Amino acid sequence: AQSVTQLDSHVSVSEGTPVLLRCNYSSSYSPSLFWYVQHPNKGLQLLLKYTSAATLVKGINGFEAEFKKSETSFHLTKPSAHMSDAAEYFCVVSAPGNNFNKFYFGSGTKLNVKP
Amino acid sequence: NAGVMQNPRHLVRRGGQEARLRCSPMKGHSHVYWYRQLPEEGLKFMVYLQKENIIDESGMPKERFSAEFPKEGPSILRIQQVVRGDSAAYFCASSPTGGAPEAFFGQGTRLTVV
Repeated sequence: AQSVTQLDSHVSVSEGTPVLLRCNYSSSYSPSLFWYVQHPNKGLQLLLKYTSAATLVKGINGFEAEFKKSETSFHLTKPSAHMSDAAEYFCVVSAPGNNFNKFYFGSGTKLNVKP
Repeated sequence: NAGVMQNPRHLVRRGGQEARLRCSPMKGHSHVYWYRQLPEEGLKFMVYLQKENIIDESGMPKERFSAEFPKEGPSILRIQQVVRGDSAAYFCASSPTGGAPEAFFGQGTRLTVV
């Protein structure tokens, strides 16, 4: 079975400080993992993806994530937060289903960036 | 290259009416997925369609909900006799193949049932 746990529903950081959004997954297969960002009343934008290549994945806007199989984690980080990073972030695992890859979403982490 | 297009962006219906949500996949994509996001929750899979075929509808409520993806035209998610609990954001995604590891999401349709 596949599932995703985002350990923090809300994270608050000051502008210019590091960001850490935590994600643990469970998968019966070798998973593909993604982080998506959703700004208020907007759609989902892909930040980065892991598909069994390099375990450290770099995404857009300075975000990166490291796939750690031993810890079943895929935490999202950014060295320095910007005000425009305030949004909701979803960790997603993709696993084979009925002839397609079904996405399993975490419940989301809302990132607040303080000036 | 336009992305996944959903319309309308916002839809208000009174209880008992029908809601029709449309999704045009990215050019060259023949696989469409619908997801629902209830308030304060992540997205939940509803249905996976290819042209003229429903492949997996394991996430669809048993009644009032239906989906289609005709040979021509957009994919349609139809909700009959809407109730307040149907209020949510409905997202469509598309991919070039079913086995593609990623999908591209539209901006969603926010349905409000009053």
